[in-house]
Amino acid sequence: DTGVSQDPRHKITKRGQNVTFRCDPISEHNRLYWYRQTLGQGPEFLTYFQNEAQLEKSRLLSDRFSAERPKGSFSTLEIQRTEQGDSAMYLCASSFDSTLKAEAFFGQGTRLTVV
Amino acid sequence: AQKITQTQPGMFVQEKEAVTLDCTYDTSDQSYGLFWYKQPSSGEMIFLIYQGSYDEQNATEGRYSLNFQKARKSANLVISASQLGDSAMYFCAMREGGSGSARQLTFGSGTQLTVLP
Repeated sequence: DTGVSQDPRHKITKRGQNVTFRCDPISEHNRLYWYRQTLGQGPEFLTYFQNEAQLEKSRLLSDRFSAERPKGSFSTLEIQRTEQGDSAMYLCASSFDSTLKAEAFFGQGTRLTVV
Repeated sequence: AQKITQTQPGMFVQEKEAVTLDCTYDTSDQSYGLFWYKQPSSGEMIFLIYQGSYDEQNATEGRYSLNFQKARKSANLVISASQLGDSAMYFCAMREGGSGSARQLTFGSGTQLTVLP
């Protein structure tokens, strides 16, 4: 297992189009997180899955955003009707548990540019 | 109020010198964890070091050490013997021990470290 992988690494889309990103976590990790990182800022929490259940969503996750983790393995994040403000790096992370010291392993992210 | 504050947008250090990156945090939880991550230009977040709120000793991992001052709510990262490969963005993050199941990380805005030859 080579770690958390995300696909695609880069996505350029026109405003109004839908986009979908994929995250494959480390196989034995049942916790999966999505974060968004804008230029010059730290990552901000979007949503959290434990196995296939989406247990928490940030208020940053507008109605245009939806995330799934259908079989408790890989996850997808879809953005509908993209806006220029959606341009950011979308990071996926996984961890073995949610204890305080649990290390979150991050993927390399998907950089979205909305033109 | 910001939960994690990193007041140094950019820092320069000479190769082989030590550097301290500042981080202050704000929480009402008694139980929490503090993390430092490195983010090179390639984008991935690399875990460096962890400090628990109840840990009595400052954490150390190789050339990284965490100067934890609980009363001041600060968790500064010290990198000793800087190397050119240390040039990257550094993020301080906190995980609070509250009742939420996610226990997501809350990040600061980062410090861009540049190591000079």
